[in-house]
Amino acid sequence: DIVMTQSPDSLAVSLGERATINCKSSQSVFYSSDNENYLAWYQQKPGQPPKLLIYWASTRESGVPDRFSGSGSGTDFTLTISSLQAEDVAIYYCQQYYITPYTFGQGTKLEIK
Amino acid sequence: EVQLVQSGAEVKKPGESLKISCKASGYSFTSSWIAWVRQKPGKGLEWMGIIYPHDSDTRYSPSFQGQVTISADESISTAYLQWSSLKASDTAMYYCARHVGRYSGSSHELDYWGQGTLVTVSS
Repeated sequence: DIVMTQSPDSLAVSLGERATINCKSSQSVFYSSDNENYLAWYQQKPGQPPKLLIYWASTRESGVPDRFSGSGSGTDFTLTISSLQAEDVAIYYCQQYYITPYTFGQGTKLEIK
Repeated sequence: EVQLVQSGAEVKKPGESLKISCKASGYSFTSSWIAWVRQKPGKGLEWMGIIYPHDSDTRYSPSFQGQVTISADESISTAYLQWSSLKASDTAMYYCARHVGRYSGSSHELDYWGQGTLVTVSS
């Protein structure tokens, strides 16, 4: 199985400041035949199912605010929230869909400082 | 509008069987893989397995192989997750979700999720 490791486990950021969450895969999730990284990011708020934010490592899902961005390639990825808003308090997960089982990271809890 | 509507919360005893459901609407049910994801209380997301309703091709995570059965009924656009003998450690929220398929048979990110089914197993 591909192991997905997120860092940090938790993060406290002031409103309006930048939040950065990292995700590392135990093997590359870059698929050369279509030149894409098979990596997604999800946001989960308390009592709700996860919500897709980013796919192909850097493509924002429709309706997701542009303060959310994804970057990285191969084994190292980053989710950045450029200016933290109160509604961004949540747990964030990365997931690889390169090969089954499509494993998730352990999650990063984002709070307001 | 794509929707995945899951069956209601369940309270069961150890050793009992259970089958929970996920009814899809708003898209062609047979054209996308459906996943099941477990979330234990206060814990992270665990990908359990997927089914392709078009041909019932099923893939399991090794962690869940032999512990659960994933199935689908194309005629009523519903996917299922079932246990033959529940354990206390099966207590969790279970989500179904749709994998985006950009070409026939492919499975990519999870774009729509059900509301979750809480399964509690306690004597």
